[in-house]
Amino acid sequence: NAGVTQTPKFRILKIGQSMTLQCTQDMNHNYMYWYRQDPGMGLKLIYYSVGAGITDKGEVPNGYNVSRSTTEDFPLRLELAAPSQTSVYFCASSSLRQGGPLNEKLFFGSGTQLSVL
Amino acid sequence: AQSVTQLGSHVSVSEGALVLLRCNYSSSVPPYLFWYVQYPNQGLQLLLKYTTGATLVKGINGFEAEFKKSETSFHLTKPSAHMSDAAEYFCAVSTKSNFGNEKLTFGTGTRLTIIP
Repeated sequence: NAGVTQTPKFRILKIGQSMTLQCTQDMNHNYMYWYRQDPGMGLKLIYYSVGAGITDKGEVPNGYNVSRSTTEDFPLRLELAAPSQTSVYFCASSSLRQGGPLNEKLFFGSGTQLSVL
Repeated sequence: AQSVTQLGSHVSVSEGALVLLRCNYSSSVPPYLFWYVQYPNQGLQLLLKYTTGATLVKGINGFEAEFKKSETSFHLTKPSAHMSDAAEYFCAVSTKSNFGNEKLTFGTGTRLTIIP
């Protein structure tokens, strides 16, 4: 059972380059999230999705774009990479549980470490 | 808006000693609270959660946390630290999104070091 898979694990970009961070889950989860983790700052939500075709901004969406064309995939796009986007990026997913609180457990991928130089 | 504050970015305890990681929350509604653990080079894993009911919550690996409304706290404890507990720990509170689903807002994390 693969869970949440993120690719690539590491990437170095030059300022102004673009790239897409891939995230896929095989658990048929409705909800997917992108977080960035910076030292001493915890995790900040970039974007999230509640299902195919439905996305919304999180706390720190500037400089990023997302799409959700399928239930499984939730790619994160950086159009013009900036040094401030150097971070570790985590994708996560969760599902609606009958009779209980929504989304009480997130399943995380292993992260993508991005450096923008 | 709901938020959590973790007191102490680094905590060191001796092997076999009590582990206490502090988390205080701010919420205008009854909160759902969580502790997640992150081992080196891995994603986060759920340790335990409080939603409703019993205020003392038991999680994996011998950890537990107590929801104290009067103190707006949700501190994480473990009676006896083990070397394998060395990791970063995140407290989180659940908040409603624009679509009505829950999103997690994380604290800044506490790195736990175990001294042999």
